[in-house]
Amino acid sequence: ELKVEQNPLFLSMQEGKNYTIYCNYSTTSDRLYWYRQDPGKSLESLFVLLSNGAVKQEGRLMASLDTKARLSTLHITAAVHDLSATYFCAVDSFISNFGNEKLTFGTGTRLTIIP
Amino acid sequence: NAGVTQTPKFRVLKTGQSMTLLCAQDMNHEYMYWYRQDPGMGLRLIHYSVGEGTTAKGEVPDGYNVSRLKKQNFLLGLESAAPSQTSVYFCASSYWGQTYEQYFGPGTRLTVT
Repeated sequence: ELKVEQNPLFLSMQEGKNYTIYCNYSTTSDRLYWYRQDPGKSLESLFVLLSNGAVKQEGRLMASLDTKARLSTLHITAAVHDLSATYFCAVDSFISNFGNEKLTFGTGTRLTIIP
Repeated sequence: NAGVTQTPKFRVLKTGQSMTLLCAQDMNHEYMYWYRQDPGMGLRLIHYSVGEGTTAKGEVPDGYNVSRLKKQNFLLGLESAAPSQTSVYFCASSYWGQTYEQYFGPGTRLTVT
């Protein structure tokens, strides 16, 4: 059974600082997704990482994928208050009966940026 | 495009009552999913569908049933609600393609007393 672990679970950081959120997963997968969720809101797709070594950047966020280490990172550069949210990683796995793929989510990292 | 919509947004049920949650998407996606979100547990897959008329169980299917009579709609039913089903329910859809990126609805907050 695929397990996805994120750390830290909670992160409080000051504006202007850099930090990294880690996502480890237990079985082979070539696709990993990062989502953002604001309090009381739905999930918004941030990044889709499709292969080993993939790197995507959007503003102050950069995500990378190392499929050999089964690790993805979400790096925050010079954090600003607007980045306060919960961040989830999710990993693809096949549902054998249908050949379909499903996502297994990590438990999320609640990020609070302090002005 | 409205994307993925969910009805209702909020609902309070008493133990033993039944209800149906409706999910609709206008993106012509083949795949649709129902998740529940509980504090500290991320999202867990309840049921999913790979196409009209086809459904299957996810990680936590007990106490729920689903139907997908039309490609754009995916219904989640609770036949006899229990307090353990108090949660936020999200519907998502994705297309068959390279990424299977899922698009989420706004969620339904359900409380069972």
